[in-house]
Amino acid sequence: GIQVEQSPPDLILQEGANSTLRCNFSDSVNNLQWFHQNPWGQLINLFYIPSGTKQNGRLSATTVATERYSLLYISSSQTTDSGVYFCAVELYTNAGKSTFGDGTTLTVKP
Amino acid sequence: DTAVSQTPKYLVTQMGNDKSIKCEQNLGHDTMYWYKQDSKKFLKIMFSYNNKELIINETVPNRFSPKSPDKAHLNLHINSLELGDSAVYFCASSQDRRGHQFFGPGTRLTVL
Repeated sequence: GIQVEQSPPDLILQEGANSTLRCNFSDSVNNLQWFHQNPWGQLINLFYIPSGTKQNGRLSATTVATERYSLLYISSSQTTDSGVYFCAVELYTNAGKSTFGDGTTLTVKP
Repeated sequence: DTAVSQTPKYLVTQMGNDKSIKCEQNLGHDTMYWYKQDSKKFLKIMFSYNNKELIINETVPNRFSPKSPDKAHLNLHINSLELGDSAVYFCASSQDRRGHQFFGPGTRLTVL
């Protein structure tokens, strides 16, 4: 099956810092999503981004499908950004089956 | 006006019991999913339904049986619960099978 690798596994930042999270995948994908799981366990969909670049406030994401990676940028981080960030991909040949990476645990300190 | 809701939020039960978790979405989506998140936070898909039809059935023990009475509901029934079934179970939905997924709040199942 497809392999999804996220890096770094853990990241600690001071409030106000910027960061980049990476997701590498091993095959051509039809769908890529970024999620944030907050400390209360809620999973929030941040981006649906099979290719290209999208921005939403302090967050932006870029997927380069031909090179099989995606990046999530967090600027001017806040303590509420803490939690686990997951990317999830779906193969062209397997619609409806998302494979999640192991996540990046982000801690933003005040 | 919750988009994807699950009940119960917490479930504590004894080994060997049978339990159900219910999921409802009011987004008008065609596709619904069940995911399992273990104690190490790994998220794995279990089942996916599109228009009440099963389209994804991962290597899940047959003690787990999903049921979709209509497009807005996808319930999960678990027979003969085992210790290893303890996890958080998430329901999700999307417009179609390739879409942007919205997750429910999760059900934390603890098997004693």
